[in-house]
Amino acid sequence: QSVLTQPPSASGTPGQRVTISCSGSSSNIGSHTVKWYQQVPGTAPKLLIYSNNQRPSGVPDRFSGSKSGTSASLAISGLQSEDEADYYCAARDDRLTGSVFGTGTKVTVL
Amino acid sequence: DVQLVESGGGLVQPGESLRLSCVASGFTFRNYWMTWVRQAPGKGLEWVANINQDVSARHYVDSVKGRFTLSRDNTKNSLYLQMNSLRVEDTAVYYCARIGYNDYDFDKWGQGTLVTVSS
Repeated sequence: QSVLTQPPSASGTPGQRVTISCSGSSSNIGSHTVKWYQQVPGTAPKLLIYSNNQRPSGVPDRFSGSKSGTSASLAISGLQSEDEADYYCAARDDRLTGSVFGTGTKVTVL
Repeated sequence: DVQLVESGGGLVQPGESLRLSCVASGFTFRNYWMTWVRQAPGKGLEWVANINQDVSARHYVDSVKGRFTLSRDNTKNSLYLQMNSLRVEDTAVYYCARIGYNDYDFDKWGQGTLVTVSS
């Protein structure tokens, strides 16, 4: 049950900047921090961004996150072929006592 | 290195049961909340359940309440998901993940185990 809305797809050529949006509500993004996960096809998801805009060790700085109100976004600067993957936003949700994920965005490098 | 290794998936018929296991290594398991996330074929991620360090708190998504039970054994660094009354819509890859210390970030994931419910 995805309650966070993302565009189904995004694309760009190598070196371009791509932005993915994530829309939620007051019970999730409006009240909690946003995470972003990257899932390369056939592999497990990987934490890409936590606390709205923090990168875990090892994540390249071309990935950046931001949040405003009940929406968030992920930006990929200097797009590379290895960035081709599915990206999911996520946040805790007060109505669920758990977490909710976004619908997912497939990023294609042209 | 942190490792989470799931097992127990397989093919079952509707109404049957299955128990998934997740063995953790490379970190102090008893200090962390843990969670299960599933992904139906060709679909997105769905949070299923989480459990705190001493099993005093367990939470489930509505669709599995009353059918799934999450437990852990801190002496064996293991997490378990008992799945009863399985339905076709429970078919998915089930991932075990560690919940980090930053507002429920899922900071480490296992490779997943496939559960197929079909007659």
